[in-house]
Amino acid sequence: DARVTQTPRDKVTEMGQEVTMRCQPILGHNTVFWYRQTMMQGLELLAYFRNRAPLDDSGMPKDRFSAEMPDATLATLKIQPSEPRDSAVYFCASGLFSVTYNEQFFGPGTRLTVL
Amino acid sequence: AQKVTQAQTEISVVEKEDVTLDCVYETRDTTYYLFWYKQPPSGELVFLIRRNSFDEQNEISGRYSWNFQKSTSSFNFTITASQVVDSAVYFCALSDAGNQGGKLIFGQGTELSVKP
Repeated sequence: DARVTQTPRDKVTEMGQEVTMRCQPILGHNTVFWYRQTMMQGLELLAYFRNRAPLDDSGMPKDRFSAEMPDATLATLKIQPSEPRDSAVYFCASGLFSVTYNEQFFGPGTRLTVL
Repeated sequence: AQKVTQAQTEISVVEKEDVTLDCVYETRDTTYYLFWYKQPPSGELVFLIRRNSFDEQNEISGRYSWNFQKSTSSFNFTITASQVVDSAVYFCALSDAGNQGGKLIFGQGTELSVKP
């Protein structure tokens, strides 16, 4: 069964520290998404890539968040410096997308706690 | 702007009851996709169904069925003969289909509790 994998699954850090989350998309998928889930905001899109090119990162706080896709098998989301309000579950999703087709499968998530 | 509304925040039923989760969406696009995901207590997001805007056929998968009505911009989800394992938060989501499309706009979720 092909799955999206994310590491770490849980991360506890102190305010001001750098956090890096990693995602391995399903082989053959052309689109990778980063979403964040909080009680207050629900599920919201942070950024996404198609064929490794960034399409939209308007959902991210630009001053502290960055998303990259150094190769087709790895997507990263970095927070520097982290703040307590960044505490959330961060989901990576990958999918195959065209004008006539659209699917997305989610990884297990990274639960981030910033103290 | 695109929007998804799940008006039912919480639903509680007794096992074997049928339950319908409502989803209403807003979009100006003529081509779009609708999704349902399940989030059990373990936290993962499980894909249940995808429907494109040109396919209004209802779909049934075991105890699950989906009713898509473009006239009312609704994509409702029914669980027949509910079971305790159906207890989860269910999300409805909308995606556009343009060249830069694909991102999901989620509703706020409906928490379903099925009691034995």
